Amino acid sequence: EVQLVESGGGLVQPGGSLRLSCAASAFTFTSYGLTWVRQPPGRGLEWLAYIGSSSNGISYADSVKGRFTVARDDAKTSLYLQMNSLRVEDTAVYYCARASLLTVAGTYYHGLDVWGQGTTVTVS
Amino acid sequence: AVQMTQSPSSLSASVGDRVTITCRASQVIGNDLGWYQQKPGKAPKLLIYGASTLQSGVPSRFSGSGSGTEFTLTINTLQPDDFATYYCLQDYNSPWTFGQGTKVEVK
Repeated sequence: EVQLVESGGGLVQPGGSLRLSCAASAFTFTSYGLTWVRQPPGRGLEWLAYIGSSSNGISYADSVKGRFTVARDDAKTSLYLQMNSLRVEDTAVYYCARASLLTVAGTYYHGLDVWGQGTTVTVS
Repeated sequence: AVQMTQSPSSLSASVGDRVTITCRASQVIGNDLGWYQQKPGKAPKLLIYGASTLQSGVPSRFSGSGSGTEFTLTINTLQPDDFATYYCLQDYNSPWTFGQGTKVEVK
């Protein structure tokens, strides 16, 4: 079964650091871009970061740029999110998602077609 | 960053109703828009990509339309399983941005 499983969430004090992991299985990891998305309690989804296949192309939301770093280890089929200088407002459920390139009449579009179950980060 | 304005923020509907949700982009984004469904405590699920193409396995009562700056998700003949929150996501420009979400509730 195609799967993404996040880990590494927990309770951390403001100003602290945490590293989230996302383990992938049952698909050709190297062929896909990956993203991180978060959801604060009771609120909507926020896109955080994207890393392309072979780490080609990395981008971040302004809210985390300079504090968070996305990385991937293709040998371990894993995605990471290093979070530094954490703030109370970073409290959220963090999801990793596969960014597939889906074709429509010869044009490619992204679709986040596989998601992990989420891991909770509490900054307090 | 491209701002995605989604409306309404919530709506009440009955089983069998037709529901329409709109996302407006602050600039032209072509067809680089997807729609996602999320149920409480669960990860989002991809419904539509490329503004109008149904993801495999998604019921045909869901449809997407639009291009440029205005996009619509339509649910025809609302089913009990469709009560959820829906989000649009643009990936035309980085940073990618979600709409604020639309909660579809039981009337």
